[in-house]
Amino acid sequence: DAGVIQSPRHEVTEMGQEVTLRCKPISGHNSLFWYRQTMMRGLELLIYFNNNVPIDDSGMPEDRFSAKMPNASFSTLKIQPSEPRDSAVYFCACNKGGPHEQYFGPGTRLTVT
Amino acid sequence: AQTVTQSQPEMSVQEAETVTLSCTYDTSESNYYLFWYKQPPSRQMILVIRQEAYKQQNATENRFSVNFQKAAKSFSLKISDSQLGDTAMYFCAPAGKSTFGDGTTLTVKP
Repeated sequence: DAGVIQSPRHEVTEMGQEVTLRCKPISGHNSLFWYRQTMMRGLELLIYFNNNVPIDDSGMPEDRFSAKMPNASFSTLKIQPSEPRDSAVYFCACNKGGPHEQYFGPGTRLTVT
Repeated sequence: AQTVTQSQPEMSVQEAETVTLSCTYDTSESNYYLFWYKQPPSRQMILVIRQEAYKQQNATENRFSVNFQKAAKSFSLKISDSQLGDTAMYFCAPAGKSTFGDGTTLTVKP
């Protein structure tokens, strides 16, 4: 298995632009998580899905952020419009559901100028 | 709700020595797992060790072991024979869901 795949690995964009981050989870893992990591706030859960359904999006910072999971093998996190304070590393992770360990992707480093 | 406290933001240890990273947590879960993850400079998050809360025996994985005190809600990680490759940030995560500690940055010195 290739593990969790995230794209792009690096993204540099200007303030106001739309940014879309992509994630392909491990096959058979039915829970998917999006995290944001910054020096100031550490690792924060943004949203998680179970069987493609958003279960908890209380960590999504504001309406500029949205996430979708149209099928079991693909999820996107969109920021529109982007702001400099959105600069962070965004991780996608997955597991088989329940209290099991999570498998993380390599992360996407987002820089908004 | 879950809270996780890692009280040591930074630690250092000499190569080949032993170091212990502390973690305390609070959870309302009745049956749960606990995890330590490692994030090296490459930033890839890697599972180090897992502990099932219903098991009394502490988990061990090669040079890594835990001291799990369920009543005290304490879950420390011991690294024996530290190696330079152990230099990383370490995160404690109870229940494997969504709550991670703030991390402890461990530096192994030659």
